[in-house]
Amino acid sequence: AQTVTQSQPEMSVQEAETVTLSCTYDTSENNYYLFWYKQPPSRQMILVIRQEAYKQQNATENRFSVNFQKAAKSFSLKISDSQLGDTAMYFCAAYNNNDMRFGAGTRLTVKP
Amino acid sequence: ETGVTQTPRHLVMGMTNKKSLKCEQHLGHNAMYWYKQSAKKPLELMFVYNFKEQTENNSVPSRFSPECPNSSHLFLHLHTLQPEDSALYLCASSPETGQKAGELFFGEGSRLTVL
Repeated sequence: AQTVTQSQPEMSVQEAETVTLSCTYDTSENNYYLFWYKQPPSRQMILVIRQEAYKQQNATENRFSVNFQKAAKSFSLKISDSQLGDTAMYFCAAYNNNDMRFGAGTRLTVKP
Repeated sequence: ETGVTQTPRHLVMGMTNKKSLKCEQHLGHNAMYWYKQSAKKPLELMFVYNFKEQTENNSVPSRFSPECPNSSHLFLHLHTLQPEDSALYLCASSPETGQKAGELFFGEGSRLTVL
């Protein structure tokens, strides 16, 4: 099964600034998906952004974008114009064949 | 609201009790999952069901017993648990095909405390 590593347990950013969360993964598969999920305090885990491994173009979703480096097995998340509502745990995940594996998460705090 | 409902939201049980967690989705998804979320640890995949068939059992102790009677419902039966089993148990579902293939839709979780 794939493994996912997030090396930043905690990060903080000033409101309106940009922050990048790191993620690396390991898999022997060629066909897989990568995700970033957000878990606000005491709330449900929700999808932020997804990337199909076969697509070279980096996914973007409004203020959220990824830097997908397939050869390096790196999948970082960039949040632009950070907002207070972005404060949450962020989990990187890799999916293949009904098997989704998560990293340990990065706790992001957006400061006013 | 993601369309996945978990009950109960909170559960406190003794080590000798038997209880069950329930998960329900009406999103038409074929796959359902149980994850364990403990503080400062990655989400741990416990079980995966695809079309009601268990396709993954991630070396979970037998005191956790899953049941998937149909594609919309998933249970986690608990018996003789240990205090270290205290955690947030998350249920999720996903479609196997289409634009959202592989995307997990999570419930709010069941917070379990074992005394």
